[in-house]
Amino acid sequence: KQEVTQIPAALSVPEGENLVLNCSFTDSAIYNLQWFRQDPGKGLTSLLLIQSSQREQTSGRLNASLDKSSGRSTLYIAASQPGDSATYLCAVFNAGNMLTFGGGTRLMVKP
Amino acid sequence: DAGVIQSPRHEVTEMGQEVTLRCKPISGHNSLFWYRQTMMRGLELLIYFNNNVPIDDSGMPEDRFSAKMPNASFSTLKIQPSEPRDSAVYFCASSSIAGAIHGYTFGSGTRLTVV
Repeated sequence: KQEVTQIPAALSVPEGENLVLNCSFTDSAIYNLQWFRQDPGKGLTSLLLIQSSQREQTSGRLNASLDKSSGRSTLYIAASQPGDSATYLCAVFNAGNMLTFGGGTRLMVKP
Repeated sequence: DAGVIQSPRHEVTEMGQEVTLRCKPISGHNSLFWYRQTMMRGLELLIYFNNNVPIDDSGMPEDRFSAKMPNASFSTLKIQPSEPRDSAVYFCASSSIAGAIHGYTFGSGTRLTVV
């Protein structure tokens, strides 16, 4: 059974810092990996989707990498802003078009 | 497209009552998923459908939970009878069959409180 772990569970940084969120998964036979953002009391917003054949994806200040063989992904946020404060969720696609989620990293960016 | 639409946004009900949550997936999407989110357990897949057919319901916690997808544009998740431990946020998501290529789209969720 696929298990997805995110470290750290919570992170507080001052505005302007570059930061890295980590995601690891136990079964490397994944199809793809998706990073989501969730604001308090809201739904999930897709940030980046990395195909299994890709090593990374970039969107604005966000960069996500994928290393299937080691079962790891990282989400890099450059020049963090208070508006980046949210919970970030990593999810991997298993066989059957199913997503398995990590527990999330709760990020607070202080002005 | 309006995205995945869930209703109601909030539901407060008494223990023992029947609760029905509704979802309208994105038009053209073939797969629909129901997730439950709690502080203790995070996001858990309850059941998913491909082309309106339930494929895997192993995540449904008990017989009190049931889900249907009578057509491509509508799904329901029913809890009968409801219990306080069912309190959670329930999300619906949809994707094309090639979801692994294009990803999932989530609805805004239904926050259920059972008192």
